Amino acid sequence: AQSVTQLDSQVPVFEEAPVELRCNYSSSVSVYLFWYVQYPNQGLQLLLKYLSGSTLVESINGFEAEFNKSQTSFHLRKPSVHISDTAEYFCAVSHTGGFKTIFGAGTRLFVKA
Amino acid sequence: EAGVAQSPRYKIIEKRQSVAFWCNPISGHATLYWYQQILGQGPKLLIQFQNNGVVDDSQLPKDRFSAERLKGVDSTLKIQPAKLEDSAVYLCASSLRRDSPLHFGNGTRLTVT
Repeated sequence: AQSVTQLDSQVPVFEEAPVELRCNYSSSVSVYLFWYVQYPNQGLQLLLKYLSGSTLVESINGFEAEFNKSQTSFHLRKPSVHISDTAEYFCAVSHTGGFKTIFGAGTRLFVKA
Repeated sequence: EAGVAQSPRYKIIEKRQSVAFWCNPISGHATLYWYQQILGQGPKLLIQFQNNGVVDDSQLPKDRFSAERLKGVDSTLKIQPAKLEDSAVYLCASSLRRDSPLHFGNGTRLTVT
């Protein structure tokens, strides 16, 4: 069975500071990995994904995540955050058969001026 | 492209009553999901359809929850009878294929009193 653990429920950070949101997963089979974001009063939307190939994946708004198979992690990073990055971030995993995308409990990122 | 449509947006019912939620996925998306998101938690998969067949319903409380996807397009999720612990946001999502990222609707917020 798959599971996802997001190690921090809340991360407060000042604007222009770097941030890392941690995600670890467990699975007995090969996986696809995702980060979804939910901005205040909006629905969940895809931020970035790892399916295969380069282990470092990037989003259009400056976030990146690195798939580390040995540590079963997929941490999300941004070198300099903006107020507009305030949102809840969910890590998700599905196995490569395409079944059961499982979500973590979420990390609330709060960017302060 | 039009997004995933869900209705109603909000519903308040008393325990032991029944309720139904409707979802219209993005045109052409073969895979449809229903998730339950309780406040402070990540989305929990209830059921996954591939076209009009069920792929996974292992976490659906089948004594009270039912779902169908007619003609492989729209879907309905029903709860009968509702319990207090069913209070949550019910999210519908669709994807082009089983290994594609999910597109979410805005959800239905259910309150059971």
